Amino acid sequence: GQQVMQIPQYQHVQEGEDFTTYCNSSTTLSNIQWYKQRPGGHPVFLIQLVKSGEVKKQKRLTFQFGEAKKNSSLHITATQTTDVGTYFCAANSGGYQKVTFGIGTKLQVIP
Amino acid sequence: NAGVTQTPKFRVLKTGQSMTLLCAQDMNHEYMYWYRQDPGMGLRLIHYSVGEGTTAKGEVPDGYNVSRLKKQNFLLGLESAAPSQTSVYFCASSRQGFAYEQYFGPGTRLTVT
Repeated sequence: GQQVMQIPQYQHVQEGEDFTTYCNSSTTLSNIQWYKQRPGGHPVFLIQLVKSGEVKKQKRLTFQFGEAKKNSSLHITATQTTDVGTYFCAANSGGYQKVTFGIGTKLQVIP
Repeated sequence: NAGVTQTPKFRVLKTGQSMTLLCAQDMNHEYMYWYRQDPGMGLRLIHYSVGEGTTAKGEVPDGYNVSRLKKQNFLLGLESAAPSQTSVYFCASSRQGFAYEQYFGPGTRLTVT
């Protein structure tokens, strides 16, 4: 079945530093979604990427979908304490294939 | 709109007891899902439904049953709880298929002793 690897599992950064999490699939994807889960909260949808090489930005967050549609990244510029949480990718191979969530990257921001 | 709601928020069960978790959504979504979240394991799909009256197995269905008698509700049952089912359970819904964004409920923290 589809496998999704997400790295790193944990990341501690000083406030103001940048942060990146990577998601890699063993198969070509139809689309990939990113979610954020605050401590004690539930996953909240951030964005969906569909096209090969797609880049989308949300303020300080930049999302990329690889040319081969097998990997994706989320980059946060100049982290803030409000960025604390776990970031998940969710990979979909298309059709009626189920979404597979990555293990998540837990981000801690040190003020 | 309340979005996706779950009851109860917390529950402690003894091994062998049964319980039902209720999920309700008011967005008229077709697809509904039950996940469990364990440390270091991410979100794992237990069961899902593609519409009223349908259910299907996900990645980790053993020990759980589900029912979707009404479009807005998705029930998750544990017939004989085991300590391995201690977890946080999330319900989610999406407008149509898996390619659409999922809306998650607040979660149920279940402890089985």
